[in-house]
Amino acid sequence: QVTLKESGPGILQPSQTLSLTCTFSGFSLSTYGMGVGWIRQPSGKGLEWLANIWWDDDKYYNPSLKNRLTISKDTSNNQAFLKITNVDTADTATYYCARIGIYDGTYYPCWGQGTLVTVSS
Amino acid sequence: DVVLTQTPSILSATIGQSVSISCRSSQSLLDSDGNTYLYWFLQRPGQSPQRLIYLVSNLGSGVPNRFSGSGSGTDFTLKISGVEAEDLGVYYCMQATHAPLTFGSGTKLEIK
Repeated sequence: QVTLKESGPGILQPSQTLSLTCTFSGFSLSTYGMGVGWIRQPSGKGLEWLANIWWDDDKYYNPSLKNRLTISKDTSNNQAFLKITNVDTADTATYYCARIGIYDGTYYPCWGQGTLVTVSS
Repeated sequence: DVVLTQTPSILSATIGQSVSISCRSSQSLLDSDGNTYLYWFLQRPGQSPQRLIYLVSNLGSGVPNRFSGSGSGTDFTLKISGVEAEDLGVYYCMQATHAPLTFGSGTKLEIK
């Protein structure tokens, strides 16, 4: 059974760096064809893709966030991470991580419950 | 970026009614590897999104077979054959053929 759970700071101030952790079970990021993606959703709005990381450490980012994003993984501890630098109020959202796997349609068959991040001074 | 236009934005249906949601892409979603990376998700109130359909027409694990997906190129459709109360929520299409991945703006399904 695949599970994912996001964790984050809850609240942070503008200009700070947001650090998010996705802790998962039921798959490994050292397995060929597996990966994790990050997606966010401002309250009452739609979904925005942020970044993906694959088993071979290939990384892909949404260019709309320019160079503010860094995705990484810790294979030994079954975790994936996302950092967003220089946050502002527009980064207030629920952040989701989701599994990627080339053997079952590739993108996002399983999602975490999400973690709410509020950027406020 | 690829723009996915979903219609309608709001859909009201009675239990048992069959409904369809359209997702039109600003570019063809046929990839050079032969796959079309078009997905459908349902987000029920207060919940995370759930994948319903992958690669246009493949039913996700555990998804009831009243859901079906079809289409090709730039035009895609999600059909619910016999709406049930648990189907209420917001439906999103997503494309992963072209970077960056993009989502449609959503279709809210209400139960009359």
